[in-house]
Amino acid sequence: QKEVEQDPGPLSVPEGAIVSLNCTYSNSAFQYFMWYRQYSRKGPELLMYTYSSGNKEDGRFTAQVDKSSKYISLFIRDSQPSDSATYLCAMSFAGGQNFVFGPGTRLSVLP
Amino acid sequence: DARVTQTPRHKVTEMGQEVTMRCQPILGHNTVFWYRQTMMQGLELLAYFRNRAPLDDSGMPKDRFSAEMPDATLATLKIQPSEPRDSAVYFCASGLGGTGSSRYGYTFGSGTRLTVV
Repeated sequence: QKEVEQDPGPLSVPEGAIVSLNCTYSNSAFQYFMWYRQYSRKGPELLMYTYSSGNKEDGRFTAQVDKSSKYISLFIRDSQPSDSATYLCAMSFAGGQNFVFGPGTRLSVLP
Repeated sequence: DARVTQTPRHKVTEMGQEVTMRCQPILGHNTVFWYRQTMMQGLELLAYFRNRAPLDDSGMPKDRFSAEMPDATLATLKIQPSEPRDSAVYFCASGLGGTGSSRYGYTFGSGTRLTVV
């Protein structure tokens, strides 16, 4: 079992839909949780960072962390074709120096 | 916008040849990572540096890979000899690291797409 699991997709949704992207993890010592977006032939870019359990909102994006279930989610409201990309979750330990990435979910938002 | 610059963007080489990839981290960032991305394995950490000192290179095949930071503006990743299984996209990332600061995430370069034939 990998440390971080993520549904690889691809996930196709119509423009305007609410998208839910999820990751599960096995190590309860993870403390910091991030979502990266990666466009084709580009490097990952940081979208959201969260530390504690609960929700964090930034525009159309909401990151949710449930440490008791070892489950994190990213919600995208009013999805746009420009949201079409691969979304990677990443997590690290307290005081940790590097991240463990999930395999990524490929999202296509159809106009 | 400050960015991490990687060169070359693409590299095709024959098996057995030496490959050198370069990374210019963002000025002022003290932590530099090298990642490899493939369809099968996703993003894998190869090595990382803090203040130019190697902190962890356990993800790197030591017999053929080497990573260095000759100065604060340059990180290099070398493969010698290269093999077809090394074909992947190699990313460099930089950021401000330190205890508790991994929360800020890191900025990735656009990657070097390596093909070994």
